[in-house]
Amino acid sequence: GENVEQHPSTLSVQEGDSAVIKCTYSDSASNYFPWYKQELGKRPQLIIDIRSNVGEKKDQRIAVTLNKTAKHFSLHITETQPEDSAVYFCAARGGGSNYKLTFGKGTLLTVNP
Amino acid sequence: KAGVTQTPRYLIKTRGQQVTLSCSPISGHRSVSWYQQTPGQGLQFLFEYFSETQRNKGNFPGRFSGRQFSNSRSEMNVSTLELGDSALYLCASSLGGSRAGRGQYFGAGTRLSVL
Repeated sequence: GENVEQHPSTLSVQEGDSAVIKCTYSDSASNYFPWYKQELGKRPQLIIDIRSNVGEKKDQRIAVTLNKTAKHFSLHITETQPEDSAVYFCAARGGGSNYKLTFGKGTLLTVNP
Repeated sequence: KAGVTQTPRYLIKTRGQQVTLSCSPISGHRSVSWYQQTPGQGLQFLFEYFSETQRNKGNFPGRFSGRQFSNSRSEMNVSTLELGDSALYLCASSLGGSRAGRGQYFGAGTRLSVL
């Protein structure tokens, strides 16, 4: 089955710096890659996603890049703010009729003021 | 639009008991997925339902089961509870069909504690 690895497990940055979180996946048929942000005690929230026919997608300070050949995708957050502090999860959806999302183990991002 | 609603929010049970959790998806969403979240294992997929049919299943024992009703609401049942079943159980809904899994929105979860 699909395996998603996420790095780093913790990341600490200064306010205003950029943060990058990387994920690799094993199933070459995977075709959809969302990122979720989960603040302490709250539900995971979808913040950005990318489909396999797109290499990059941006939404204000957040961007995701996908390299299908290397089977990895990354989340980039620019101009980080303290409210960006949370656990971030990447996920991959299998291809064909495999609709399940397989999640990475998460990255705890801390933005220091 | 109302979000994904899960009930109850908290449950305390003892080993050997069974429990049923409920999930009401966003209006118009026909796919419901269930996940178990624990500090050590992260988010693990349990199963996914669409049009009252289980389409995908994760690697959990048969004690974990679910169903979906004609209005897309879903229930998850865990029988013969074990201490290791203590976790946050999350459901997520999406439009479904070939778009299942895309644009999944999560409920607030049910925190299950097994004593």
